[in-house]
Amino acid sequence: QQQVKQSPQSLIVQKGGISIINCAYENTAFDYFPWYQQFPGKGPALLIAIRPDVSEKKEGRFTISFNKSAKQFSLHIMDSQPGDSATYFCAASVNDYKLSFGAGTTVTVRA
Amino acid sequence: GAVVSQHPSWVICKSGTSVKIECRSLDFQATTMFWYRQFPKQSLMLMATSNEGSKATYEQGVEKDKFLINHASLTLSTLTVTSAHPEDSSFYICSAQMGQNNGYTFGSGTRLTVV
Repeated sequence: QQQVKQSPQSLIVQKGGISIINCAYENTAFDYFPWYQQFPGKGPALLIAIRPDVSEKKEGRFTISFNKSAKQFSLHIMDSQPGDSATYFCAASVNDYKLSFGAGTTVTVRA
Repeated sequence: GAVVSQHPSWVICKSGTSVKIECRSLDFQATTMFWYRQFPKQSLMLMATSNEGSKATYEQGVEKDKFLINHASLTLSTLTVTSAHPEDSSFYICSAQMGQNNGYTFGSGTRLTVV
């Protein structure tokens, strides 16, 4: 049973467009919400992370929006580039311990 | 930044043999290391959690006698797949954590193919 539900499973966006990936959780004890980017044959790399005391965090073209009351958080990739084509995973943990991963979203950016 | 080195990056072995995968934290001491398994186009599934000097904690359904984990030092954890079979073929990934509130750093993964 997946503790973090992620959607969509895949998306295609034009170069320069915005990619939006959503995640929802039930466990209100989660207190760390990272997003990872994974390229084929590689391990995941941390993209950006947020804690529940903040509603939004931006790093470059990547923004996390966090809605504590709705138990949802999302990743926005602005000005999407072909190099952003990868699989993105949301995750959550309690007290920085074991991560629970979403199912993943494959993003394809068309030039 | 924190770097985790995982070796080998890929390995092919014969059915019935054992394979060892190493995970090293290069520039920090990892209090906790995690081992994941990932099937094609699927998410990461946590197999076990290991703390230096103590026995690993395995997730439900993971055979501890088949997937031996050793965390002998603060910079090295190993996963040994014993008596490997074709169904063990997968992508294995480790991650290391330098204490709480320090996030997780992942290794580059090991592609295991059992023939």
